[in-house]
Amino acid sequence: SQQGEEDPQALSIQEGENATMNCSYKTSINNLQWYRQNSGRGLVHLILIRSNEREKHSGRLRVTLDTSKKSSSLLITASRAADTASYFCAYLGGSNYKLTFGKGTLLTVNP
Amino acid sequence: GAGVSQSPSNKVTEKGKDVELRCDPISGHTALYWYRQRLGQGLEFLIYFQGNSAPDKSGLPSDRFSAERTGESVSTLTIQRTQQEDSAVYLCAIVEGRASYEQYFGPGTRLTVT
Repeated sequence: SQQGEEDPQALSIQEGENATMNCSYKTSINNLQWYRQNSGRGLVHLILIRSNEREKHSGRLRVTLDTSKKSSSLLITASRAADTASYFCAYLGGSNYKLTFGKGTLLTVNP
Repeated sequence: GAGVSQSPSNKVTEKGKDVELRCDPISGHTALYWYRQRLGQGLEFLIYFQGNSAPDKSGLPSDRFSAERTGESVSTLTIQRTQQEDSAVYLCAIVEGRASYEQYFGPGTRLTVT
């Protein structure tokens, strides 16, 4: 399977703590994206990192990409209860339009 | 997400019946996708439309599944002779702009086959 893998499958933290989620993939990629899914807002694009980038920031989000290890991480700093959601990585590999999604990490932020 | 609506939001149907799911994207999008998401799982690619090109149907799980797009707007996903394993959330997504890779998703249709 070419599907990406997120790690951990589930993560529970306290508000204010940082959350780190990892994603591994199996092919060469054009870019890698992170999406968030919760019942309130559905599936929402968070951030995109290109294969020639190593790190990218957006607000409280920090994404890293290591193409030699075929892995990416998403760090959410100073987490809030509203960050509770499932987080998916998705990448373009072997196609310029077909995203492959991982199975997701379920993040629970406790108030 | 903004710019993509789907209907119905929920659909309960009996095994063996046909269902039609609808996606209404904003105008000006360059590509449209359908995905299936089973409970607790990631997204499975089903089909991709772009412009007048032939759609990529490589993700459709069987010939009971078909999809079409009217012009560059409304798309419908049809499942014939539904089976219980078809129960899932079906998501439509669009890409805006030719140099863009971010996908914008609709709220999905939750299909339950009894």
